[in-house]
Amino acid sequence: NAGVTQTPKFQVLKTGQSMTLQCAQDMNHNSMYWYRQDPGMGLRLIYYSASEGTTDKGEVPNGYNVSRLNKREFSLRLESAAPSQTSVYFCASSIGGQVGQPQHFGDGTRLSIL
Amino acid sequence: TQLLEQSPQFLSIQEGENLTVYCNSSSVFSSLQWYRQEPGEGPVLLVTVVTGGEVKKLKRLTFQFGDARKDSSLHITAAQPGDTGLYLCAGGGSNYKLTFGKGTLLTVNP
Repeated sequence: NAGVTQTPKFQVLKTGQSMTLQCAQDMNHNSMYWYRQDPGMGLRLIYYSASEGTTDKGEVPNGYNVSRLNKREFSLRLESAAPSQTSVYFCASSIGGQVGQPQHFGDGTRLSIL
Repeated sequence: TQLLEQSPQFLSIQEGENLTVYCNSSSVFSSLQWYRQEPGEGPVLLVTVVTGGEVKKLKRLTFQFGDARKDSSLHITAAQPGDTGLYLCAGGGSNYKLTFGKGTLLTVNP
């Protein structure tokens, strides 16, 4: 039971480099999400996709882009990485379509920008 | 913007003690979820409450949703070292998004 799989698990980038974080879920969920988690800040929503073919900005979208490639996959791209984007990134998915549906999380990507 | 305030931010107790974690907001939420996160892993759902005044029990954990659906609490009885982790509350609105609190880091010492 893979659930939500994120790759890579760790990455170090130099300022200005670009990178795509990959996320895939095998639960046939409609909605997918990208969060960042920083010490003392909790989980902050970057982008989300309520259903295949749609994406919307969350609380902190600046400096990021997303692609909902198909129902299973939702990628997050940093076009020009900055030290302020050093964080742990989590992808999550939910069935969607109803209030109160739980979100299922991957184990995160730990990203350091030098 | 809906905000959720969690308290306390840090809690260190001895095995066998009881504790309560609070989650408060000035906004009404359609649902309130509690997650637990261990180091190096993603959050895992513990419970969802959707009705004002609702109380749910999960072994030694008791969750309550306030009557006005603006606040919630998590009470742990006779805490064990295995309860150590980051506890996050999350409020759901009319869309598919969740608003997370900043979390309570619980350490239970043997």
